[in-house]
Amino acid sequence: QSVLTQPPSVSAAPGQKVTISCSGGSSNIGNNYVSWYQQLPGTAPKLLIYDNNKRPSGIPDRFSGSKSGTSATLGITGLQTGDEADYYCGTWDSSLSTVVFGGGTRLTVL
Amino acid sequence: EVQLVQSGEEVKKPGESLKIPCEGSGYNFTTYWIGWVRQMPGKGLEWMGIIYPGDSDTRYSPSFKGQVTISADKSINTAYLQWSSLKASDTAMYYCARQGGPTIFFDSWGQGTLVTVSS
Repeated sequence: QSVLTQPPSVSAAPGQKVTISCSGGSSNIGNNYVSWYQQLPGTAPKLLIYDNNKRPSGIPDRFSGSKSGTSATLGITGLQTGDEADYYCGTWDSSLSTVVFGGGTRLTVL
Repeated sequence: EVQLVQSGEEVKKPGESLKIPCEGSGYNFTTYWIGWVRQMPGKGLEWMGIIYPGDSDTRYSPSFKGQVTISADKSINTAYLQWSSLKASDTAMYYCARQGGPTIFFDSWGQGTLVTVSS
């Protein structure tokens, strides 16, 4: 059971928008920055969002991040079939003294 | 270009030891923390620990402390993850990743080393 809770799966049609939630508590999301990662099938994770809402260079603005209280959200607009992947949120947990990840959300672009 | 290069698949027997490398290039290896992440078959990401190659300061997840050893050799820009006695439950993909800044996020990842432990 992951410390951060994500929906196991989400789906949407090409061109549409989808959001993926990440719920935690005061010891993790509530008081620390959140990052998001994309893992395409058979590949290593890739950083999409850091510090709650910043995009590394090369990440299109179709990807966005936000945080409110003890929850964070990844948004993806203009969905493409190439976006089909597993998405993970991550942050530091001050009580556990460890980095924690969500269980991952599989995105299907129908 | 920042790169982290890991070794290929390892197949070992229970009880054997193993040390897998992660070589960094394209940046100052000594000034960024390097973390290790486990992904068991069909499962999510688990953070194992992290090392600062500049002075070998190392932190472990409570779940992995005593189970593995993280080290680094800054003279060859390489971090390591080591087991003294492997178990079947250590079968997983292991990724190294660079912590990108003062906050916790990983901006560059190795391609992963698949470790299979089977008798």
